[in-house]
Amino acid sequence: QKEVEQNSGPLSVPEGAIASLNCTYSDRGSQSFFWYRQYSGKSPELIMSIYSNGDKEDGRFTAQLNKASQYVSLLIRDSQPSDSATYLCAGGGSQGNLIFGKGTKLSVKP
Amino acid sequence: GAGVSQSPRYKVAKRGQDVALRCDPISGHVSLFWYQQALGQGPEFLTYFQNEAQLDKSGLPSDRFFAERPEGSVSTLKIQRTQQEDSAVYLCASSADRETGELFFGEGSRLTVL
Repeated sequence: QKEVEQNSGPLSVPEGAIASLNCTYSDRGSQSFFWYRQYSGKSPELIMSIYSNGDKEDGRFTAQLNKASQYVSLLIRDSQPSDSATYLCAGGGSQGNLIFGKGTKLSVKP
Repeated sequence: GAGVSQSPRYKVAKRGQDVALRCDPISGHVSLFWYQQALGQGPEFLTYFQNEAQLDKSGLPSDRFFAERPEGSVSTLKIQRTQQEDSAVYLCASSADRETGELFFGEGSRLTVL
């Protein structure tokens, strides 16, 4: 069973702090990884994708991938209350599907 | 339309009824995915189409679930003899390229089975 595991949280950080979200995956064949953000009652939206080992930065967001450890993370710098949402980690399956974790709920306190 | 459109947005069914959920993907998108999301959980993969071909249906929970995309555009997810455990939000997503994970999701169809 191919799985993506996340700590469900909630993770609470003060405004302006760094939020660190983590994810592990079981399928060593997965080559691509994604972070989606889902506001309550809304559908997921893509915020970051990462395909190779190392870091990828986009504005306040940095995704990190370590394929040897089967570990993916997302750092959010200068967290804002508007970042409060559930963050879903997803890994690309070998058949083209996308497997999601259960999500980590982030709360940024003003 | 500009985005993925799903209908109905809300559906209440009595146990044992059949339901059909429709997804109209972004025009030109090759790949189409169906996910089931229970309250407080992440989306669970159900099935995946590339054009009209159903390439993976390993996530369909039982033979009561059936999906089709006959002309490679609009897709329908059908659930026969609905059960209470089928209550969830059914998300449809489309992608221009199966090699990427950039899925564009619709707003979902919330199914409640009484």
